[in-house]
This record gives sequence, structure tokens and C-alpha cells, in this order.
Amino acid sequence: GAVVSQHPSRVICKSGTSVKIECRSLDFQATTMFWYRQFPKKSLMLMATSNEGSKATYEQGVEKDKFLINHASLTLSTLTVTSAHPEDSSFYICSARTQGGVSNQPQHFGDGTRLSIL
Amino acid sequence: AQKITQTQPGMFVQEKEAVTLDCTYDTSDPSYGLFWYKQPSSGEMIFLIYQGSYDQQNATEGRYSLNFQKARKSANLVISASQLGDSAMYFCAMREGMSGNTPLVFGKGTRLSVIA
Repeated sequence: GAVVSQHPSRVICKSGTSVKIECRSLDFQATTMFWYRQFPKKSLMLMATSNEGSKATYEQGVEKDKFLINHASLTLSTLTVTSAHPEDSSFYICSARTQGGVSNQPQHFGDGTRLSIL
Repeated sequence: AQKITQTQPGMFVQEKEAVTLDCTYDTSDPSYGLFWYKQPSSGEMIFLIYQGSYDQQNATEGRYSLNFQKARKSANLVISASQLGDSAMYFCAMREGMSGNTPLVFGKGTRLSVIA
């Protein structure tokens, strides 16, 4: 079945560092990918919709300059957390659907990235 | 307003028993899809089952079934013959419209603990 690969799975870094997270669709093309953030024991909150070849659409309250999204190809979207601070520590998870998929197709999720900013 | 409501923060079930996880939703779009995902402690999201708004029959996938009551806007997940490996967070989610580009919106989740 369709697989989404997310890398890295875990990052620990110092405050002020920028961190890039990659999300790849391994055996299908995804014109749209989604980035979610999940706090401990909380639900998944949509951060942005990543569109191949165009600007991402950010949800209200998400700083686009803080969370840079690049969807350069049909199989790769990246999320860069710029100048990360401890409050950015969270679980980030991406998902994608097959191109042209109908509404009943599930979103396939990466395994997530656990980001810890010291 | 909450689009997906899961009122049970936590549930316990005896091994081999059945359990129902509640989910209600709110939408004015006649076309929508409802999904259930399982998230173990490792974090990955595992797709379990789907129900479309126009589906006449309740969805079933192995030990998972969805009790879809459209008029009540509820889509409860039923897990039969619970196993220890079923212990996890369970999220109900909805996609509105028929477009492939609309994201899933998730409920707050229910933590299921299966007791031996």
C-alpha cells in the first residue's frame, strides 16, 4: 500500500537552531501534503496544507515565517522550523493522499518527528 | 465549533470483550467522509476504517465496524474481541466535500486500555 516516509524521527537541538523535516511519498505522487502538530496527549492540529509548485496554505495562528513549507516535487514536502525555541517542541506529523484520489481514500501518515528544543 | 467530538477521554475494556468508542460530528456539507485512526504509543497513525456520507451500509473491516447514524451525526467505532494490542489512542476524523485536497479534521481522541 501507499507509504509516507518522514525523516528524521527524532531531533534534539539547541534553541535558535533551524530544523528541517522531510516528508516523502514513496510509491505514489502527492500534489497535496498536510502538516500536523501534536502536543502530548492531545489531538492532531492541522498546521498547513502543502501544495506542489505553489505556496502552502497555513491555518489561522500558524506563523508562516516560523514554519517554512516547501513542496518542490510530487513526492517531497519539507517543513523547516526556523530559529526553534523550547515552545516549538512537539510531535510533527505529515500526511499525503494519492494524486487525484477520491474522498474515500485515507490520508497516509508518516511516522512523525519528535522535536525537542533545549 | 468542534467539528468532531469524542466525549470519552479514556476507556477500559476486558480482553476478548467488545468496546464502542463514540464520535459525533458537525457539518453542513452533504458530502463527507468519516475515518478512524489508531495511534499507538510509538506515534504512527494507522488507518482503521472509513464511512462515506452516502454509504447505505455500515462499514466493517475485520474486528472493526462503524455504527453510522447519519440523522444523529454519529459514527461510533466498535471493536470486537478486544486484544491487548488494541491499547492505543483512537481518533475519529472527518473530511468535508468530495475534493481530494481537503484535510482531515480530528477529534480529541479516546485512549483505550485493554485489560488482561
